[in-house]
Amino acid sequence: ETGVTQTPRHLVMGMTNKKSLKCEQHLGHNAMYWYKQSAKKPLELMFVYNFKEQTENNSVPSRFSPECPNSSHLFLHLHTLQPEDSALYLCASSQDILNTEAFFGQGTRLTVV
Amino acid sequence: DQQVKQNSPSLSVQEGRISILNCDYTNSMFDYFLWYKKYPAEGPTFLISISSIKDKNEDGRFTVFLNKSAKHLSLHIVPSQPGDSAVYFCAAMGPQGGSEKLVFGKGTKLTVNP
Repeated sequence: ETGVTQTPRHLVMGMTNKKSLKCEQHLGHNAMYWYKQSAKKPLELMFVYNFKEQTENNSVPSRFSPECPNSSHLFLHLHTLQPEDSALYLCASSQDILNTEAFFGQGTRLTVV
Repeated sequence: DQQVKQNSPSLSVQEGRISILNCDYTNSMFDYFLWYKKYPAEGPTFLISISSIKDKNEDGRFTVFLNKSAKHLSLHIVPSQPGDSAVYFCAAMGPQGGSEKLVFGKGTKLTVNP
């Protein structure tokens, strides 16, 4: 049990679909993050939320839309994705914004067809 | 441009021997370094870290060494066990653009053979 839960674990979607990834943590952490891991590439930071406020958007295309309704939940809304968006999407949380070790969820394996 | 580089995509070691995973970084502003371990179908888990004011940090079988002048750090696992087989990510943290940012390397896949 990592303390950070992501659903679904696997997702296959068409390029015209709309889907959402969900992340949940009950560790009392104030910062939450979305990372993307593509094959043979480093983990890429996508979004950072601190106390429910987005503090960083790492030049992510608008077809990815994050939402943080409260400090325990983080969503990543997806629409009109491209096949190259297929990757492992990881959610993480930390006590404060990146000044302590981040705890990662198990990830959502996304395939865009 | 990659700021954190793990130049060996894979490493194979015999059980009981030492595993040495290397990591180089380019940004001199990085002041905190972490190693994460990742099993297939799981998210990365924190393993060990080191602050730039230290040159060594030890936790059981795991030791991280930091050479600031060479901008190089390494993770030593002694003795290596088959359960250590995983992908190891090096990560660095430091102020960038007014905020802290955690930057990861591509990872090194370690295989420990029985």
